[in-house]
Amino acid sequence: DTAVSQTPKYLVTQMGNDKSIKCEQNLGHDTMYWYKQDSKKFLKIMFSYNNKELIINETVPNRFSPKSPDKAHLNLHINSLELGDSAVYFCASSPYGGVYEQYFGPGTRLTVT
Amino acid sequence: AQSVTQLDSQVPVFEEAPVELRCNYSSSVSVYLFWYVQYPNQGLQLLLKYLSGSTLVESINGFEAEFNKSQTSFHLRKPSVHISDTAEYFCAVSKEGAQKLVFGQGTRLTINP
Repeated sequence: DTAVSQTPKYLVTQMGNDKSIKCEQNLGHDTMYWYKQDSKKFLKIMFSYNNKELIINETVPNRFSPKSPDKAHLNLHINSLELGDSAVYFCASSPYGGVYEQYFGPGTRLTVT
Repeated sequence: AQSVTQLDSQVPVFEEAPVELRCNYSSSVSVYLFWYVQYPNQGLQLLLKYLSGSTLVESINGFEAEFNKSQTSFHLRKPSVHISDTAEYFCAVSKEGAQKLVFGQGTRLTINP
């Protein structure tokens, strides 16, 4: 009964490949997010969706494409992976609005070689 | 634009000693303030939050933070730490109507026996 789940937990791939990370939340929240945490632990928002609609896109390269088939799912597809994409990617969800607590998934550690 | 500064990247303390993790924010409007904790190899969890009302907020595991509007600070304190408090702590800020949190750089709290 995990609240926010991500798959896979670890992803090792070569430069130039395309990969996807999946996220699901069972909390009934309206808003979902993708964050990138770099090697120095700095956490930066990438995208936010509210009820399947994109509401935040934080100057992320267009190699990254989020997709929300329904409000419980937010997947992240990455084309032409680069070394600099290596990071931990976190999915999160919250009720609509910045005042609410965000619930984070366990993270996906992406390593690009 | 909002920003958050955590003044210490690492804080080592001995078990049962008091600790303070510092957080300053910049915003020209009313803000909501959060502390999140990230235990090793896990996602972030909300520790406590300030939305309005009493400027002193507490968590269930003994942490507290005080909102100081004049100093634009939201420092996190605990009078006596345990080994299990070893984690990365993130301060975050949001504002009414915003759909995202802005995180600080994180502070690694290390508890030595």
